[in-house]
Amino acid sequence: DAGVIQSPRHEVTEMGQEVTLRCKPISGHNSLFWYRQTMMRGLELLIYFNNNVPIDDSGMPEDRFSAKMPNASFSTLKIQPSEPRDSAVYFCASIDRGRVGTEAFFGQGTRLTVV
Amino acid sequence: LAKTTQPISMDSYEGQEVNITCSHNNIATNDYITWYQQFPSQGPRFIIQGYKTKVTNEVASLFIPADRKSSTLSLPRVSLSDTAVYYCLVGTMNTGFQKLVFGTGTRLLVSP
Repeated sequence: DAGVIQSPRHEVTEMGQEVTLRCKPISGHNSLFWYRQTMMRGLELLIYFNNNVPIDDSGMPEDRFSAKMPNASFSTLKIQPSEPRDSAVYFCASIDRGRVGTEAFFGQGTRLTVV
Repeated sequence: LAKTTQPISMDSYEGQEVNITCSHNNIATNDYITWYQQFPSQGPRFIIQGYKTKVTNEVASLFIPADRKSSTLSLPRVSLSDTAVYYCLVGTMNTGFQKLVFGTGTRLLVSP
């Protein structure tokens, strides 16, 4: 398997524009997580899905952020409208909950810069 | 979720053994202890997991005392490439829909 695949790797956008980040989890994994990482706030959990269903979105900063998982092989994180304070690295991770323990596999991340 | 406490940072030199301790006083009976490693500009990577006593793999060893209220990640003979942030997580996939929350981690700096 190619691992968790995120796209794009880098995104530069202007304030007010819509941004869509994409994630393809590892085949067979049934949970998917979205994180945001900054120097100030560390690695923050935004939302996670089990079997394509959003379970906890309490980490989503505000209504400008939304996430979907239309099927087991694809998820999106959308920011509309984007603001400079959204600049961060966004990671997607997936887990097979059928296994004991918490071995999550992370993608390479998307570095978002909002100017 | 079991709360974890670990040092914010540690310094070491090449060739030394590094031990990072994580406290998890309210660990539940079914919880596992998992450590992740994060290099700059990369996502965290699973390195080791254990339930009790000692676990060793090609990367590290994990020591867990009988009361399981703490654990120690041991990195033998570190090199410059071991400079990273190390996270301790406690939990299980078997107790409902568990969040995977990372704390601040321990920033390890290995110098020549």
